[in-house]
Amino acid sequence: EAGVAQSPRYKIIEKRQSVAFWCNPISGHATLYWYQQILGQGPKLLIQFQNNGVVDDSQLPKDRFSAERLKGVDSTLKIQPAKLEDSAVYLCATALAQGVYNEQFFGPGTRLTVL
Amino acid sequence: ILNVEQSPQSLHVQEGDSTNFTCSFPSSNFYALHWYRWETAKSPEALFVMTLNGDEKKKGRISATLNTKEGYSYLYIKGSQPEDSATYLCASPNDYKLSFGAGTTVTVRA
Repeated sequence: EAGVAQSPRYKIIEKRQSVAFWCNPISGHATLYWYQQILGQGPKLLIQFQNNGVVDDSQLPKDRFSAERLKGVDSTLKIQPAKLEDSAVYLCATALAQGVYNEQFFGPGTRLTVL
Repeated sequence: ILNVEQSPQSLHVQEGDSTNFTCSFPSSNFYALHWYRWETAKSPEALFVMTLNGDEKKKGRISATLNTKEGYSYLYIKGSQPEDSATYLCASPNDYKLSFGAGTTVTVRA
């Protein structure tokens, strides 16, 4: 089966600019996660969707980050305006269902550099 | 242990040697322990999801053990090969979402 697709793979922007990342999940996977991985740290959950509804966005900096999952399939994550500390790898992961026992399938990530 | 911690941060192994490294996690309210392998420029790949104390899982030359009472898991690589070079991440649920360690980066030297 096709894996989780993400684009772009790399992005360089200047601070205060906007950026958007796209994720296409494995077909049939209802649960979708966006993680932020800062260099030297483990991935941190930003937002979790179940179909097109938000399950958890407690760690999403809502003043600058937004995410949507229209029609419960593809998802986009947006940063507006970007700050230097947003430089990180943004990972999208999906699962058949929510729950901490379920294996998550990751995309290759988008590496964002904010100058 | 309040967070998921991994040690060492990095290690170098000679091809053919075996190695192991540790993941420590909060032992109270344990649900599951995940191991992922993340090769450079690729997607993180699930290795194991472990739930039972004393559980051992194996995938090829890689195996893992779990001690939920003391809050640690070991991951072993037997007869390391260059393709084992990767960052190995472990994760355990915290407040119903996975909390990841910072990873152990393994470099296998030919």
